[in-house]
Amino acid sequence: DGGITQSPKYLFRKEGQNVTLSCEQNLNHDAMYWYRQDPGQGLRLIYYSQIVNDFQKGDIAEGYSVSREKKESFPLTVTSAQKNPTAFYLCATLGPSYLAHSYNEQFFGPGTRLTVL
Amino acid sequence: GQQVMQIPQYQHVQEGEDFTTYCNSSTTLSNIQWYKQRPGGHPVFLIQLVKSGEVKKQKRLTFQFGEAKKNSSLHITATQTTDVGTYFCAWPFSGTYKYIFGTGTRLKVLA
Repeated sequence: DGGITQSPKYLFRKEGQNVTLSCEQNLNHDAMYWYRQDPGQGLRLIYYSQIVNDFQKGDIAEGYSVSREKKESFPLTVTSAQKNPTAFYLCATLGPSYLAHSYNEQFFGPGTRLTVL
Repeated sequence: GQQVMQIPQYQHVQEGEDFTTYCNSSTTLSNIQWYKQRPGGHPVFLIQLVKSGEVKKQKRLTFQFGEAKKNSSLHITATQTTDVGTYFCAWPFSGTYKYIFGTGTRLKVLA
């Protein structure tokens, strides 16, 4: 949506299995983000990447891993170490500043709903 | 992890009534953004406020940034069913690329 693709929309996995969520963007944005949203909750930052080959942990990185080998792609792996992985996962990019001292808006993908059985 | 409480957490209003949500920070913010997430959807950027005391309007929506740049509000006049969703505030953390999102206010509009 809006140049950000997340697939699949719904994902089911058995407990103990690793799973990788895809996020692709064609907006040519440098910074990308992964958020987790639980029912009725806000957005919590898992990982973010300012530029290719660089990424930083967010507030809830434990049990997750990422890579940023290409500008367009920022896949998230939910490992078996994540104790409660069932959630809605949102990928986002950060748009460029158009004015000096202005800040950027985030563009979100449609999300992936992960259910671990 | 860091999250910011928004007030109220939930709000049910009759169509035509006004609605306000508040976002408060303990620290001075460089800017604040507002997003709307429709049920089952993803957050969509609404606006960004940068200046102390700034007020911006988008049709029936009025956004304010506090004089001390520590709080912000979103006010909707005469709500419509299309206003249903969760409204989030967000801001960049201390000059980094990391963003902090509020816990959101879920608005339901009864026709």
